Amino acid sequence: KAGVTQTPRYLIKTRGQQVTLSCSPISGHRSVSWYQQTPGQGLQFLFEYFSETQRNKGNFPGRFSGRQFSNSRSEMNVSTLELGDSALYLCASSYSAATNEKLFFGSGTQLSVL
Amino acid sequence: EDQVTQSPEALRLQEGESSSLNCSYTVSGLRGLFWYRQDPGKGPEFLFTLYSAGEEKEKERLKATLTKKESFLHITAPKPEDSATYLCAVQAGGNTGKLIFGQGTTLQVKP
Repeated sequence: KAGVTQTPRYLIKTRGQQVTLSCSPISGHRSVSWYQQTPGQGLQFLFEYFSETQRNKGNFPGRFSGRQFSNSRSEMNVSTLELGDSALYLCASSYSAATNEKLFFGSGTQLSVL
Repeated sequence: EDQVTQSPEALRLQEGESSSLNCSYTVSGLRGLFWYRQDPGKGPEFLFTLYSAGEEKEKERLKATLTKKESFLHITAPKPEDSATYLCAVQAGGNTGKLIFGQGTTLQVKP
């Protein structure tokens, strides 16, 4: 069974640009969550989608957005990039994100903003 | 405010030298406490879920325990391949993929 796939693996952008990251969950999983990981802040929750609906959102500015398609694949978008957006962006999937259900993480997209 | 604190930040052990990692948490309505392992350049890999105080789970050289305020990850006779960052996370309230993570403990095991 294939794991969570994130593309691209690496991205270099400049300030002010926008970026779209992609995540394909494990087959059959309907919940996709996104996390930002930085050395200073650690792993922080961005948002979660379940059956194409955003179910939960973290404390990030509106420049961070996402969506989920009918096949459960998800994308996140960051507009007007800032230097502080440089981070590893991780996608995680689960069947339904029910209580105590473990998340499966992808290897992430490393975004560098210059 | 829900919060997770891990200690120590970094830990160096000799191969075979047992130790414990600590995860203290403050959360309203704990649904589950998770331990993950993260290797450089990779996403976190699931290790354990603990549901209630007093629960223990084991996997090879690792044993996780849970009390009402903290969790411990005990590493018995570690090997160099156990070197990684160990992350603790809590799930609070509702069916959601939102986990609150601690900063992690980076473990280095020297041969």
